Amino acid sequence: DSGVTQTPKHLITATGQRVTLRCSPRSGDLSVYWYQQSLDQGLQFLIQYYNGEERAKGNILERFSAQQFPDLHSELNLSSLELGDSALYFCASSVRGGPGNEQFFGPGTRLTVL
Amino acid sequence: AQSVTQPDIHITVSEGASLELRCNYSYGATPYLFWYVQSPGQGLQLLLKYFSGDTLVQGIKGFEAEFKRSQSSFNLRKPSVHWSDAAEYFCAVGEMGGGADGLTFGKGTHLIIQP
Repeated sequence: DSGVTQTPKHLITATGQRVTLRCSPRSGDLSVYWYQQSLDQGLQFLIQYYNGEERAKGNILERFSAQQFPDLHSELNLSSLELGDSALYFCASSVRGGPGNEQFFGPGTRLTVL
Repeated sequence: AQSVTQPDIHITVSEGASLELRCNYSYGATPYLFWYVQSPGQGLQLLLKYFSGDTLVQGIKGFEAEFKRSQSSFNLRKPSVHWSDAAEYFCAVGEMGGGADGLTFGKGTHLIIQP
């Protein structure tokens, strides 16, 4: 158990819909990362937050957005969903930002878009 | 842009045999390098990491990896595999200094252990 929790575990929805994925980082970790894992693209970095502020963006679509709240939990919002958005979405956290800090991964949320 | 190549999609090894998983990276400076393991239905767990110094790094579960700058490689090794090592293995690179802190992952190598 990494200490990172993600809810829900599974999510099934229809095209065009909007969903919210939630992540609680390890106690004391200030930085949260979101990754998408799909068969086509593999594991891709989406976005990073540090202590409530957006720090870096990766391959995140404009239909996706995220935020980190004062209690440091984070939410990833996916809207106008398409079939291709079906994937496993991971949240990771680290004590600080920076690639030298170990990222601890949550168990993921599996999103299925029908 | 940095990139990571894991040339072997699948590898089958007999239990007790040695293992080497290949990883090549493309990055201008000295990168931060990682190996993660993903068991079915699980998140990713860090096996080991390299930042600087000794090019042979030891990790958890008996794994080690060697950084070879001349070959832009960071191969993962284990002298004797166990059935519980069957999993997906990912090599990743992080950018040193500024920019995005997110990791760039390879496509992964699926390790199958034969009894």
